[in-house]
Amino acid sequence: RKEVEQDPGPFNVPEGATVAFNCTYSNSASQSFFWYRQDCRKEPKLLMSVYSSGNEDGRFTAQLNRASQYISLLIRDSKLSDSATYLCVVNMEYGNKLVFGAGTILRVKS
Amino acid sequence: DAGITQSPRYKITETGRQVTLMCHQTWSHSYMFWYRQDLGHGLRLIYYSAAADITDKGEVPDGYVVSRSKTENFPLTLESATRSQTSVYFCASSDYDAGELFFGEGSRLTVL
Repeated sequence: RKEVEQDPGPFNVPEGATVAFNCTYSNSASQSFFWYRQDCRKEPKLLMSVYSSGNEDGRFTAQLNRASQYISLLIRDSKLSDSATYLCVVNMEYGNKLVFGAGTILRVKS
Repeated sequence: DAGITQSPRYKITETGRQVTLMCHQTWSHSYMFWYRQDLGHGLRLIYYSAAADITDKGEVPDGYVVSRSKTENFPLTLESATRSQTSVYFCASSDYDAGELFFGEGSRLTVL
C-alpha cells in the first residue's frame, strides 16, 4: 500500500461545478497535511495547509478525517484556471519527511 | 531576483556520464530538498539538507550524491547516469521543519 494515495482522475467538470478530491494516508501518526497545486510542466506550489478543524480559503475547503485517515479538498464554483494537478502531501513523522501523492488531475471545461 | 533557481533547465546526457544539477536559493532557508517526479509516482525525495554540511537520504538516494557547503547551494550529482534516472528533478527549500516548500522550476534530464 502506498503511503499517500490519490485518485489520479482526470476529473472533468464544467465551469461553476463543485468538485471534491480525497487522499488517504497510511501512517496514523502523521502530523501535518497539505494540498499543493501543480500546473502542467510547472513546479508545485502550496495551495493550503489542512488543519484538524478544517479550513477554508475562498472557494477552497480542506478537511481532515483522522479516524479514517484521509484528507479532502473541495472546490466550489470551479473556474477554468483551476485546471491543474492537485497533490496531497503528508508529513509522515516528526521531521521533514513529506510524502507526496501522485496527484489528481482536474480539468474544468467551459 | 530572490527565489530558488535550478540549472540547467534541460539536459540530455548519455549512460555512464556524470551530471550535476545546480540549485541556488536566495532566502537563506535552512532546509533544502531534491525530488524527482515520474509519471505514476508523484514526487519522491532523493536527499535533503537541514543546514550547511548536514545532508540525509530520502526515499530514493541510490545513484545520487549531494553536498551543501554553503546554505544557498545544494547541488545534486548523478555519478554515473542511468536511463532510469531520466526524470524531472525539483529542488525545494523551506525555512523550517515541515514548512511550506518553495520549488524551483525543475530540471528535465534525459539519459540516453
